[in-house]
Amino acid sequence: DTEVTQTPKHLVMGMTNKKSLKCEQHMGHRAMYWYKQKAKKPPELMFVYSYEKLSINESVPSRFSPECPNSSLLNLHLHALQPEDSALYLCASSQGAYPGELFFGEGSRLTVL
Amino acid sequence: GENVEQHPSTLSVQEGDSAVIKCTYSDSASNYFPWYKQELGKGPQLIIDIRSNVGEKKDQRIAVTLNKTAKHFSLHITETQPEDSAVYFCAASLYSGGGADGLTFGKGTHLIIQP
Repeated sequence: DTEVTQTPKHLVMGMTNKKSLKCEQHMGHRAMYWYKQKAKKPPELMFVYSYEKLSINESVPSRFSPECPNSSLLNLHLHALQPEDSALYLCASSQGAYPGELFFGEGSRLTVL
Repeated sequence: GENVEQHPSTLSVQEGDSAVIKCTYSDSASNYFPWYKQELGKGPQLIIDIRSNVGEKKDQRIAVTLNKTAKHFSLHITETQPEDSAVYFCAASLYSGGGADGLTFGKGTHLIIQP
């Protein structure tokens, strides 16, 4: 069982909806990540929170908004999404800033109608 | 930024045979190279990793080799078993000192173990 928990597992939303994806880890990790994965493609980095400091992939549209309430929780707020945003959204955590193992959750499957 | 190329995209081997997946990276400053296995409906899971100060690392049936000069690294799986069937991703990471930078992944290899 993964130690990174993501909710919901599946989400269907319209283009005018506002929704959020949630991620939680209790391993004491100080870095958390959001990745987007399309079918038959590798994960693409969207956002990194390291010691609660945000780093952004500048290609990510502003309709995606991350939030890190504390070092154990990570949210991804979704607003005015497009059908092409339909994908698997993966949360991951790692012990710290130095590259090391990423622990992935099982993902939230998002469908935008 | 970093660019990681991975080959082949699909690899089919007989059960018991060996499988080799190869990756190249572009940024000579990259210093961490993990391999992830992703099964259907699950998130990627680390199977082995190597840092730039090491040339080879082995864990039971799995080994990774790194050639820093040529900027390529490879995954070797021996005595393949049906449960090895999955998508495998190589990745590269550079620690810039400014915080966690995440990983740049290769495009993945779908490994199929034929019974």
